[in-house]
Amino acid sequence: AQKVTQAQTEISVVEKEDVTLDCVYETRDTTYYLFWYKQPPSGELVFLIRRNSFDEQNEISGRYSWNFQKSTSSFNFTITASQVVDSAVYFCALRRGAQKLVFGQGTRLTINP
Amino acid sequence: DAGVTQSPTHLIKTRGQQVTLRCSPKSGHDTVSWYQQALGQGPQFIFQYYEEEERQRGNFPDRFSGHQFPNYSSELNVNALLLGDSALYLCASSMRFLEEQFFGPGTRLTVL
Repeated sequence: AQKVTQAQTEISVVEKEDVTLDCVYETRDTTYYLFWYKQPPSGELVFLIRRNSFDEQNEISGRYSWNFQKSTSSFNFTITASQVVDSAVYFCALRRGAQKLVFGQGTRLTINP
Repeated sequence: DAGVTQSPTHLIKTRGQQVTLRCSPKSGHDTVSWYQQALGQGPQFIFQYYEEEERQRGNFPDRFSGHQFPNYSSELNVNALLLGDSALYLCASSMRFLEEQFFGPGTRLTVL
């Protein structure tokens, strides 16, 4: 069975602080994909990143960075110099091949001015 | 280029009624998936349609059914509504079922 755990239910920081969102996953498959989505108050899930299980290179996109470690089954997301517009619910998700997306419970991130 | 669109935005129904939600995929996409997101929870997979057939199904009762049309748009039907069906229903489209899924804004269903 596949499972995604986001242990942090809510995080609140002051603007310009760095913040890391944790994601731990469980799967018996050797080939799988990991995702992060952002859900602003409007409700639409916005795709942020996809990583496959064979690519453990960390990725940086502007203020966003992702750390994928197969040894600890983690795929953490860091926002550097956070901004108020980063406030949203963030979801980590797992997919095996063409199968369904399995989401974590989400982390509500609030950036205070 | 229009993204994924869903209608209606909000819907209020009473227990026992039936509801139909609609989704138009992003241009060029041929696969549609439906998810249910209860308040404070992550989305839960309902089913996926490709080539007008249901390809995968999550752990949802037969009260939940769907359809995909030749233009790739899709409908989600829920019969005999229960209070627990109140949720945000998200539609996602992709180019074939292997690629990233892009989500629509959702339909907020309230069952009274």
